[in-house]
Amino acid sequence: NAGVMQNPRHLVRRRGQEARLRCSPMKGHSHVYWYRQLPEEGLKFMVYLQKENIIDESGMPKERFSAEFPKEGPSILRIQQVVRGDSAAYFCASSRSQVVHEQYFGPGTRLTVT
Amino acid sequence: ELKVEQNPLFLSMQEGKNYTIYCNYSTTSDRLYWYRQDPGKSLESLFVLLSNGAVKQEGRLMASLDTKARLSTLHITAAVHDLSATYFCAVDGVRYGGSQGNLIFGKGTKLSVKP
Repeated sequence: NAGVMQNPRHLVRRRGQEARLRCSPMKGHSHVYWYRQLPEEGLKFMVYLQKENIIDESGMPKERFSAEFPKEGPSILRIQQVVRGDSAAYFCASSRSQVVHEQYFGPGTRLTVT
Repeated sequence: ELKVEQNPLFLSMQEGKNYTIYCNYSTTSDRLYWYRQDPGKSLESLFVLLSNGAVKQEGRLMASLDTKARLSTLHITAAVHDLSATYFCAVDGVRYGGSQGNLIFGKGTKLSVKP
């Protein structure tokens, strides 16, 4: 059973470009969570999605950031007009249910904005 | 504001020594999670503590939870080099209006075990 998959693993964007990060949950998992990790910091919750629904986006910046989890295909975290401060590692996790201790983390996407 | 504080943030140990990492949190959560992260890697779940007084052990690591004191500890016994990593504790943010799955992480304790 493949784990949570994220791609790309590394992404370099110039300021002002768009970044698209993809997350494929584990088989049978319909709950996806995105977290951001700044250098030398812990992870910070961004958004929680179920298929076709955003359940909790309390950690998402109000502008430039959006997330979706369509009926078919991976979850996507989209960052428009990236700035240097967006440089971070973005992790997604998935679970079969809302039971938190069942969250499994992907390998992360490391975004660098130049 | 919900806070999760770990200390120390940096820990350099000699092999064979014992030490404890502390995790204090400001919520009334009765669930706490410990993760390990190697440099450039993802998070590996170590322990899930689901009730007051819970104690779990795996190899040289032992975690405990005191919900009344809002304190969890991660104790390292006879450290070895392979334990070098960053250790995070986390609580769920649901009591602060967040959903289940909204994990609140500490800043991490960077552990270096030297021969």
